[in-house]
Amino acid sequence: AQKVTQAQTEISVVEKEDVTLDCVYETRDTTYYLFWYKQPPSGELVFLIRRNSFDEQNEISGRYSWNFQKSTSSFNFTITASQVVDSAVYFCALSEDGSARQLTFGSGTQLTVLP
Amino acid sequence: GAGVSQSPSNKVTEKGKDVELRCDPISGHTALYWYRQRLGQGLEFLIYFQGNSAPDKSGLPSDRFSAERTGESVSTLTIQRTQQEDSAVYLCASSFLTRGVDTQYFGPGTRLTVL
Repeated sequence: AQKVTQAQTEISVVEKEDVTLDCVYETRDTTYYLFWYKQPPSGELVFLIRRNSFDEQNEISGRYSWNFQKSTSSFNFTITASQVVDSAVYFCALSEDGSARQLTFGSGTQLTVLP
Repeated sequence: GAGVSQSPSNKVTEKGKDVELRCDPISGHTALYWYRQRLGQGLEFLIYFQGNSAPDKSGLPSDRFSAERTGESVSTLTIQRTQQEDSAVYLCASSFLTRGVDTQYFGPGTRLTVL
């Protein structure tokens, strides 16, 4: 069975601080895919990244970076120099076949960036 | 419009009534998903449509839930004899495959409240 754990329910930071959102997953599959989504107050989910289990290279996209550690089953997400617009709920998710079908989602982390 | 749209944005109904939720995907997207998001929780997969293939209904929680999609266009999610536990935000997403990557675009959701 698959499981995704986001232990941080809520995080508050002050603008310009760096923040890391944790994601730990469980799966019996050797091939799997991990995702991060952002859900701002408007409610629309925004896809951020998809990473397959064979690619452990860390990824950076602007102020966003992701650290995939297979040894600890973690796929953490860091926002550098946070901004108020980063305030949202962030979800980590796992998929066995790489599609968005039947994604297993974590419970989400509410990030609040204070001005 | 350029994005996925859903209607209504909010729906309040009485227990036992039927409701119909609508999703207009992005034109050209062959795949369409319905998810349910209960308050403070991650997304639960409900149903998946891909082109003219038989839908994957494995996430539907009971036979009170059904969904239809006409070709690659509009989809409707119907909940019959609503119960209070059906109260949630119902999210629709459409996607297309690019180089094997299934990129989802989410609608704003329909917030259903069953009194």
